[in-house]
Amino acid sequence: NAGVMQNPRHLVRRRGQEARLRCSPMKGHSHVYWYRQLPEEGLKFMVYLQKENIIDESGMPKERFSAEFPKEGPSILRIQQVVRGDSAAYFCASSPEQGVESPLHFGNGTRLTVT
Amino acid sequence: GENVEQHPSTLSVQEGDSAVIKCTYSDSASNYFPWYKQELGKRPQLIIDIRSNVGEKKDQRIAVTLNKTAKHFSLHITETQPEDSAVYFCAANNQAGTALIFGKGTTLSVSS
Repeated sequence: NAGVMQNPRHLVRRRGQEARLRCSPMKGHSHVYWYRQLPEEGLKFMVYLQKENIIDESGMPKERFSAEFPKEGPSILRIQQVVRGDSAAYFCASSPEQGVESPLHFGNGTRLTVT
Repeated sequence: GENVEQHPSTLSVQEGDSAVIKCTYSDSASNYFPWYKQELGKRPQLIIDIRSNVGEKKDQRIAVTLNKTAKHFSLHITETQPEDSAVYFCAANNQAGTALIFGKGTTLSVSS
């Protein structure tokens, strides 16, 4: 049973470009969470999605960031016009049931570097 | 907003010693407290969790205690081994149950 799959593992973008990060949840999981981890920092919640619905996006920056989880295919975190401060590791997690009290399974993350 | 404080930020112990990591949370509505272990360059992995209806939970060398009145919870690792070296994160759920709020992590180093 494959775990949470994220790609790419490493992504380099120049300032002003767009970054697209993909996350395929574990089989049978329909709840996806995105977190950002800065060096020497904990994991910061960004957004919680179910299929075709954004449930909580209170941690998402108001501009340039968007997320989706379509009926078919992976969840996508999209960052437009990237800036150096966007450089971080972005982790996706999934769970089989609603709410974070069912254990979250994390992917290996995408390390975004903005040059 | 919700906040989770974690300390110490670094912890060095000798193999066989015990390690204790402490966290406090701000949201009295939190009722789920997991602990994650993250090795360098790898994914965070759940090692143990506790819910607010219990005060202590143990799994082999790992135990977690919860004091809801004081709003703090702790991770205890006994008989530490070099493979326990990693960053450990505590977390608490937000009131809506839609997000985990993480502490900033504790880097544990176990020397043999």
